[in-house]
Amino acid sequence: KNQVEQSPQSLIILEGKNCTLQCNYTVSPFSNLRWYKQDTGRGPVSLTIMTFSENTKSNGRYTATLDADTKQSSLHITASQLSDSASYICVVSASTGFQKLVFGTGTRLLVSP
Amino acid sequence: GAVVSQHPSRVICKSGTSVKIECRSLDFQATTMFWYRQFPKQSLMLMATSNEGSKATYEQGVEKDKFLINHASLTLSTLTVTSAHPEDSSFYICSARSDRNTEAFFGQGTRLTVV
Repeated sequence: KNQVEQSPQSLIILEGKNCTLQCNYTVSPFSNLRWYKQDTGRGPVSLTIMTFSENTKSNGRYTATLDADTKQSSLHITASQLSDSASYICVVSASTGFQKLVFGTGTRLLVSP
Repeated sequence: GAVVSQHPSRVICKSGTSVKIECRSLDFQATTMFWYRQFPKQSLMLMATSNEGSKATYEQGVEKDKFLINHASLTLSTLTVTSAHPEDSSFYICSARSDRNTEAFFGQGTRLTVV
């Protein structure tokens, strides 16, 4: 069964600190992995997208890694800001006809002052 | 990235009435649009996939007669929740892509409350 699991479920960090979110998946065949940021009451916004051959990608203070052998990904946030408070969703795309997306349940991050 | 706009952002309706949610791709032609539902603290659940000019493909367990999807043009898809009940209260999100090899972009979502 195609699944995407994220940890931790929720996380509280102090402003300015770094944090790392984890994503494990069992989606097969694998096409790509995306990290999204979803603010409360808003739609998801793409942070990074990685294909099988890519093992790291950065977008400002966000750095995503991918280990396709162990089927794990991480999202590292550097020098956190209050505006980073949101849910972070790992989404894996299966290389089927419509590239079906499998969503993780997300990590709820709260950055406190 | 490309812009996908949903309207309305919030709607409250009475039980038994119907509600229409619009999803528009503002700067690209969306051959495929997806409709999701998200309950509090849960992930997005795909409801249906629609291709322009074709009937929508619904996920298992989603009633096609209750959730009517129309994708009549390359820039607009609508989701109509018919005979809404309180249990239909949820956050509905659409996404759109131009073709199967491109990324899909999400709308800002619609909060539906049925009273």
